[in-house]
Amino acid sequence: QKEVEQNSGPLSVPEGAIASLNCTYSDRGSQSFFWYRQYSGKSPELIMSIYSNGDKEDGRFTAQLNKASQYVSLLIRDSQPSDSATYLCAAHNTDKLIFGTGTRLQVFP
Amino acid sequence: DAGVIQSPRHEVTEMGQEVTLRCKPISGHNSLFWYRQTMMRGLELLIYFNNNVPIDDSGMPEDRFSAKMPNASFSTLKIQPSEPRDSAVYFCASRDSSYNEQFFGPGTRLTVL
Repeated sequence: QKEVEQNSGPLSVPEGAIASLNCTYSDRGSQSFFWYRQYSGKSPELIMSIYSNGDKEDGRFTAQLNKASQYVSLLIRDSQPSDSATYLCAAHNTDKLIFGTGTRLQVFP
Repeated sequence: DAGVIQSPRHEVTEMGQEVTLRCKPISGHNSLFWYRQTMMRGLELLIYFNNNVPIDDSGMPEDRFSAKMPNASFSTLKIQPSEPRDSAVYFCASRDSSYNEQFFGPGTRLTVL
């Protein structure tokens, strides 16, 4: 069974702090990974993709990939209350995305 | 550019009725995915198409569910007959098959009474 695991949270961080969201995956055949943000009652929105080991930065977001450890993370710097949402990690495998169940992030003022 | 379009946005029906959900992918995208999301099971892939051809329908829960893609700009997901346990949010997503990123539509919230 190909799986993507995430802590369901909630992860609570104060405004301005760094939020760190983590994800592990079971299938070493997965080569690309994605982070989606989903606000309550809305659809998943793609915010980051990462294909290679290391870090990828886009604005306040940094995605990190370690294929040897089968680990993906998303860092959100200077967290804002508007970042409060559920973050879904997905692994690409055999032409499909395998989604984790998501981590709920709460950023409090 | 218009994103993925889904209709209806909300559907309330009674058990036993037929339900048809519709999706228009992003223009130029040649892969289309149907997902179902519930609190208990999260986001589940039901079926996907490449170039209008169904590739993997292993996620379709049972024969009551069927999906078609008659052309590159339109797909339907049909449930007949519907049951209360089908209540969920159904998402359509599309992708340019040259890339792996998928883009989601706004979803259809289905309630079967």
